Amino acid sequence: DTGVSQDPRHKITKRGQNVTFRCDPISEHNRLYWYRQTLGQGPEFLTYFQNEAQLEKSRLLSDRFSAERPKGSFSTLEIQRTEQGDSAMYLCASSSLQQETQYFGPGTRLLVL
Amino acid sequence: AQKITQTQPGMFVQEKEAVTLDCTYDTSDQSYGLFWYKQPSSGEMIFLIYQGSYDEQNATEGRYSLNFQKARKSANLVISASQLGDSAMYFCAMREGEGGSEKLVFGKGTKLTVNP
Repeated sequence: DTGVSQDPRHKITKRGQNVTFRCDPISEHNRLYWYRQTLGQGPEFLTYFQNEAQLEKSRLLSDRFSAERPKGSFSTLEIQRTEQGDSAMYLCASSSLQQETQYFGPGTRLLVL
Repeated sequence: AQKITQTQPGMFVQEKEAVTLDCTYDTSDQSYGLFWYKQPSSGEMIFLIYQGSYDEQNATEGRYSLNFQKARKSANLVISASQLGDSAMYFCAMREGEGGSEKLVFGKGTKLTVNP
């Protein structure tokens, strides 16, 4: 049983650059979530997809952030014009319609210099 | 107001002893779900245990049990027979509302250290 995978695991970028992260959910999981976790805090919700539809977005998701799930399988999270405050762990999770438990991937650690 | 409060920034326990990690929550919904996750230093969030608001019995999963006190709005995690590998951050989380938002709201976590 393959779990949630995320790529890359680590990303170092310079301020102002664009970055894109990928998440592959557990197969057959309809729901996919993105969270952001900064040092010393719990994860904070960013956005949520059911199949290909983006159903909920947090106010944390500024105009520089965009997420897609074009075919209802993998998802991408893009951050444009990165800022130092974007440095965080970006976590992806998935769940099925039948069970509400969200299973997380290993995360992508972003460092913006 | 914080939805999930974890008042213990750090906890220490001797190997093979039991430990309780506290979690209180705030919601006006009748239907909600409570979760505990473990986060080792590698960063991955590992699901441990789930309690639904309508579940009458406390949830158990192996060495993990959830002490659910609905009237007090508390959902404490009990780890029995602690092992060195239990050293990690532990997060309590809540999903509010049936048919509503699917997001989880997390507490700030408790860092558990298991001493040999």
